[in-house]
Amino acid sequence: DVKVTQSSRYLVKRTGEKVFLECVQDMDHENMFWYRQDPGLGLRLIYFSYDVKMKEKGDIPEGYSVSREKKERFSLILESASTNQTSMYLCASSFRQKLSNEQFFGPGTRLTVL
Amino acid sequence: QQQVKQSPQSLIVQKGGISIINCAYENTAFDYFPWYQQFPGKGPALLIAIRPDVSEKKEGRFTISFNKSAKQFSLHIMDSQPGDSATYFCAAILDISSGSARQLTFGSGTQLTVLP
Repeated sequence: DVKVTQSSRYLVKRTGEKVFLECVQDMDHENMFWYRQDPGLGLRLIYFSYDVKMKEKGDIPEGYSVSREKKERFSLILESASTNQTSMYLCASSFRQKLSNEQFFGPGTRLTVL
Repeated sequence: QQQVKQSPQSLIVQKGGISIINCAYENTAFDYFPWYQQFPGKGPALLIAIRPDVSEKKEGRFTISFNKSAKQFSLHIMDSQPGDSATYFCAAILDISSGSARQLTFGSGTQLTVLP
């Protein structure tokens, strides 16, 4: 079974702190994604990566950065956390070449910024 | 702007009833339309998907109906069960031929509750 794991289920940080969210997948997927999920807004893409050291902005990249040094690991970084970044963060991965590009999601990290 | 509009936001159905969730899209370049199901505390998981050259796809109790001319598609859950209670997201994929990842654009989600 495909497994996407996220480093924390719940995280509480203070405004201005630097926050790292880690995601690891074990299926040798080329693509990895970071989304945030907010009620009434669905899932919005923050950043994605289709290869090691490659990254592309999604729909809402402001205030975030990412790092992909190894194929299996994709990190989301909040350089200076703000209260409006309180959200559920979901990581996903997929094969690049498969037509459907089914994305496999981790369980999410609920981040609260005080 | 929201490229995939989903309704209703919430839906309550009696056990055995039919649940219907609707989505509409704007970008005619979308070429694949999956539905994801999310249970509390879990990430979304692919439920069923359809290509725009097909008007209907059925898998068990789940059916997608697709109307290309109206740019609308819907999920029908027949004989709804309490175990179907979850949040459902429609999505659309844009074929980015540049070789980068095919991005999913999600609808806003529908929270389905099936009463026993």
